[in-house]
This record gives sequence, C-alpha cells and structure tokens, in this order.
Amino acid sequence: AAGVIQSPRHLIKEKRETATLKCYPIPRHDTVYWYQQGPGQDPQFLISFYEKMQSDKGSIPDRFSAQQFSDYHSELNMSSLELGDSALYFCASSLATGPYGVTDTQYFGPGTRLTVL
Amino acid sequence: ILNVEQSPQSLHVQEGDSTNFTCSFPSSNFYALHWYRWETAKSPEALFVMTLNGDEKKKGRISATLNTKEGYSYLYIKGSQPEDSATYLCAPSYNTDKLIFGTGTRLQVFP
Repeated sequence: AAGVIQSPRHLIKEKRETATLKCYPIPRHDTVYWYQQGPGQDPQFLISFYEKMQSDKGSIPDRFSAQQFSDYHSELNMSSLELGDSALYFCASSLATGPYGVTDTQYFGPGTRLTVL
Repeated sequence: ILNVEQSPQSLHVQEGDSTNFTCSFPSSNFYALHWYRWETAKSPEALFVMTLNGDEKKKGRISATLNTKEGYSYLYIKGSQPEDSATYLCAPSYNTDKLIFGTGTRLQVFP
C-alpha cells in the first residue's frame, strides 16, 4: 500500500538559509500534519491542513510557513534557519471522517532530518 | 522496514470501563518505546518512555508494560473517562532518537 512520502529524507543547510520540505499524503487522504521532533524531544505539532485550508496551528515559528496544494501535497517552508531548527520533521496524512478530522488515524511519513550547521 | 502494529485500531468503551491496547514492534536492536496520547487539535503528549524488559510504568489511571524480548507493549487505562478519548500512539526507537510510530489506537469513551 502507498504510504506518506516526504522529501528530501535528509537535508543539510547553513544558518540563515531557507529550506523546503515536501509531503505527499496517501492517495485520497485530504488532511496533512507537520510535526517537529528535536533531538531527544517529543514530537511537537506544527500545523495541519484539511482540504487545502489550514485547520490547526501549533508551535510553529513565524519563520516557518506551510501550505497544502490542490493535489493535497504539502510543503513546509523554513526561512532564516537557526541551529535549533535541526530536527526530524514528520508529516502525517489522514482521511477526515469527523468534523475536523484530527481524531482520524494519522499515517506518518518517514520524516525529513534537517541539520543546520 | 520496521513495522509497528497497534491494536485495536479503534475502541469504543463506556465510562468506567477498563481497557487495554497492544503495541507490537521488532525486538531486534530495540532501544526504547514511547507511548503518546494524542488529543484532538493538540500535540502528542508523552506518556511513558520504557527501555528495560519487564518495565512497568504508571501515570494516574494509565499504566504500561514492556516486553523487549518478544517485542510488545501493553497500555492499560483503568476506569476510562471521557477525557481519555484520544489517539494513543506507540513509537519504539532503535539505537537512535528516531521514533517509529504505530498507526495508533483511537479510544472513544462514552459518558
């Protein structure tokens, strides 16, 4: 079965550079989620989209932005990178069945490991 | 590919019922198992981190056991309350801090 695809799998950037992470949800899934997991930390919810509209927002820095496109893939844009942005970024997708879809089973991608030097 | 399985996929119980979930994971090179409680519109809440075979952790009405040799963990909720309604994720790690999440058990507790 098709899974959530994230690209790239690994990314190395310098401070103050920008990075774009991509997430391709499972076909027919209409909801995507982004999580950040710093070294030794629990995954932190960043942002989610349902039907191309932002549905919820967590602890996402103002330097980060994200969107979901018409084909339901999502991109997380990160600017002015800082050392503290080094983390594993998970994307998950789901098919919404409830009012917000947040309680649906979420399928995570393999994550993008971002290293900021 | 590491396969983490949680069962059941969803569970509906009445308030006051006790319930339990299962997390199965490859035991080779196992390092630690994390359980997360994931409420609607909230970031996952870490419940337990377990590393040793035979470990048992408890937090209020929630407890978990770990068997690293056979690769499974149980999560128990005693006297379920509506506020326990959430998705419960397990995520083992294998010699790194990268967590491999299961698909979760979605618990709904009816008053």
